Amino acid sequence: EAGVAQSPRYKIIEKRQSVAFWCNPISGHATLYWYQQILGQGPKLLIQFQNNGVVDDSQLPKDRFSAERLKGVDSTLKIQPAKLEDSAVYLCASSLGGRGGAYNEQFFGPGTRLTVL
Amino acid sequence: EDKVVQSPLSLVVHEGDTVTLNCSYEVTNFRSLLWYKQEKKAPTFLFMLTSSGIEKKSGRLSSILDKKELFSILNITATQTGDSAVYLCAVYFNKFYFGSGTKLNVKP
Repeated sequence: EAGVAQSPRYKIIEKRQSVAFWCNPISGHATLYWYQQILGQGPKLLIQFQNNGVVDDSQLPKDRFSAERLKGVDSTLKIQPAKLEDSAVYLCASSLGGRGGAYNEQFFGPGTRLTVL
Repeated sequence: EDKVVQSPLSLVVHEGDTVTLNCSYEVTNFRSLLWYKQEKKAPTFLFMLTSSGIEKKSGRLSSILDKKELFSILNITATQTGDSAVYLCAVYFNKFYFGSGTKLNVKP
């Protein structure tokens, strides 16, 4: 079975520029997560989708970050404008999910390493 | 405040040693605790624990949860250099919260 796909794998931008990341979850997985992992820290949940609806975005800096999952399959995460402190690995994960399905194992993609100069 | 705290932050051992990694958490409506191994890429799933006192094993790795004392341990016996990685603990209550991880370095 194909895993979670993410692109690009690496991105270098200057501060105040915009950037977008793409994620394609495992086929049939209803729940999709975007995490930010700063070097030396654990992943921090930015947003969680259940199909095309947002379940949790309490830690998403909404003044500059946005995410969508319009058709309930793949998803994009955008940063506009980027700041130096946004340098991190952005991980996408998916799980079978379903209502109350948080017991389900998360499968992670390879991540996108963002460097903001 | 940190809801999931892992210790130690880093650990250096030699091949063949046994290590114990700790994960403690603050919780309301606890549902499950998960352990992941992260090398130079995405975290890979190791264990999910939902019941207290039941050990889960996979080869040289094992884990147990103590819901009363709010912690879990991950044991690795007969460590190998391939065990070198960051081990992450995550707890689910309403959403997933990850600890900062324990960086394990196994020397030949």
